[in-house]
Amino acid sequence: SQQGEEDPQALSIQEGENATMNCSYKTSINNLQWYRQNSGRGLVHLILIRSNEREKHSGRLRVTLDTSKKSSSLLITASRAADTASYFCATDANYGQNFVFGPGTRLSVLP
Amino acid sequence: DAGVIQSPRHEVTEMGQEVTLRCKPISGHDYLFWYRQTMMRGLELLIYFNNNVPIDDSGMPEDRFSAKMPNASFSTLKIQPSEPRDSAVYFCASSSGGAQYFGPGTRLLVL
Repeated sequence: SQQGEEDPQALSIQEGENATMNCSYKTSINNLQWYRQNSGRGLVHLILIRSNEREKHSGRLRVTLDTSKKSSSLLITASRAADTASYFCATDANYGQNFVFGPGTRLSVLP
Repeated sequence: DAGVIQSPRHEVTEMGQEVTLRCKPISGHDYLFWYRQTMMRGLELLIYFNNNVPIDDSGMPEDRFSAKMPNASFSTLKIQPSEPRDSAVYFCASSSGGAQYFGPGTRLLVL
């Protein structure tokens, strides 16, 4: 079964609005990562948050982690058309560097 | 650094043929990952190496798939014989633990 799943599957917003995507997972993790994938391209790492951290920021990105609820959220503030992409969360499995990626959230930012 | 390099970028072949995908990781990274991405199954980890040694190949679909990493700067993923259901985008990624850096992918079409 999939470790992490993003919600919603798809999201359309207007430029300038904020976008929030959620990730839920099933088992304990050491850390969780968020990636972006533009159409036809490879994934790009955005943020890594460790299990003992609750919030991290990077530019317009804000990631939260609630280990008690086994969930994480990615907030993109003041969205731009260039933010249009699929966003994936990745959680480490029980060992090593075996990260499991969710099915992703497709974000469309309309100009 | 040029990032993770994959070749070829596109491959069209006929069922039964051997396919070899190549990857050059980022210099200094000691982890290398091979993923497959399809619409139906999303992003799947096939195998990953640490210091050129395969650590987890549980995601390799079947014996038709094999991967090697003869040195720190080169890895191959081979499919022999190829089948239409192998059609997908294959990504290579590397890391030094934590954030993974993805290549542009090889888009494989097996007719």
